[in-house]
Order: sequence, then structure tokens, then C-alpha cells
Amino acid sequence: GAGVSQSPSNKVTEKGKDVELRCDPISGHTALYWYRQRLGQGLEFLIYFQGNSAPDKSGLPSDRFSAERTGESVSTLTIQRTQQEDSAVYLCATSDRTQETQYFGPGTRLLVL
Amino acid sequence: AQSVSQHNHHVILSEAASLELGCNYSYGGTVNLFWYVQYPGQHLQLLLKYFSGDPLVKGIKGFEAEFIKSKFSFNLRKPSVQWSDTAEYFCAVSIYNQGGKLIFGQGTELSVKP
Repeated sequence: GAGVSQSPSNKVTEKGKDVELRCDPISGHTALYWYRQRLGQGLEFLIYFQGNSAPDKSGLPSDRFSAERTGESVSTLTIQRTQQEDSAVYLCATSDRTQETQYFGPGTRLLVL
Repeated sequence: AQSVSQHNHHVILSEAASLELGCNYSYGGTVNLFWYVQYPGQHLQLLLKYFSGDPLVKGIKGFEAEFIKSKFSFNLRKPSVQWSDTAEYFCAVSIYNQGGKLIFGQGTELSVKP
């Protein structure tokens, strides 16, 4: 079946603008994770959704970052008033109920000018 | 805070050389351990994982890793690398019963010379 997809693949924006990134999970995957990878660094956890439970937002770096997911469907990550330090690759991963293996999407490369 | 450290930032090997990439984590409780690989232009994909049982785990493409609990380590090995193993390798840890969120090391870039 289809893997995790993300859109857009690339996004260039001006400092101060809002951006919205989208993740389409593998069908049936109840868990969805957002990560960020800044240049030369490892991935850092941002937020986690599991079904209809309250999300784990412990990794969000500031209140400019938010994410939504309805049930087991699409998720959107929104960054308000973007800053240059938000430039990174934003990765989405999903897993089934066992949460044993996360399947990653191709990422959205965000550049804030 | 929990962290994962990978010992080498960039490793350069010739084909047929043996590979060992170091990974250590800082957490005293139960963890699940992973190695992910990202080939040029491709998604991150799982190479192997350890949850419990035999501490020597085998993954795809001839890779293996050994969990040594006393050393908080999960080193990745391959006896003979190929040019096609050129990629970036990430070690990751999830804390038991914390929803599966992964804590990643900073990655090791492996270049294999033909």
C-alpha cells in the first residue's frame, strides 16, 4: 500500500509568515509523530498523536508551533510567524497500534528567508 | 533529559572493510532501540530494532547490532560493507510506555569508496 506522504515537499517563506505542513498517514495507522531535522543535527521529536487521545506536545519548541489531527486521518503542522531558525526538514512518521515501527514520510523542507 | 549519542559524525571506508558505528544512550529504565538508515534521496527506513530477548539482533542487508545493557550501548556492525551502504545512519531510542516517540542521535554519515 501507499506509504506516508507529506506536502509540500519544499516550502520557501518569508520571515513572519505562517506555514502549514501536511501529513497523510498510512491507512490504519493510529499513531502519528512529527519530527524536525535541522541542518547537521539529528531528528528532534515535536508532537505525537494516538487515536483520539490528547496529543503529547512536549517537543514543540514554542507556542508558534501547533498541530492537529482528527481521528486517524491527516495531520497538519502549523508554524505561525516563522523565524529563520525554523528552517529545517519536517518529518512525519506513523505506526500501527503496536507502535513498534515508525514509517517515515519524505519530509517537507522549509526555508525561512 | 534522555539523550542518544553517536560517536562518529562521518566515517569513510573502502569496500569490504568492516563497520562498527557506536551508539550510547542515557536512560536507566527500559528502552526500545533502533537503527534507521537514510540512503541518498530516500526516506528514513528501519534497519533493525531491539525490544527484548536476544541482545544480538539482525536487520536488513547484513547489518546487526548488539544491545549491551551495562554499557547503555547499541552498536551497529557489518562485517563487509558495500558501496551501496553509503548513507546516513541514525540510532534512536524510545522509552518504554511513553508512546513510542523516538529520541535520535545526531547521525553518522557513512561513505564507502568503491
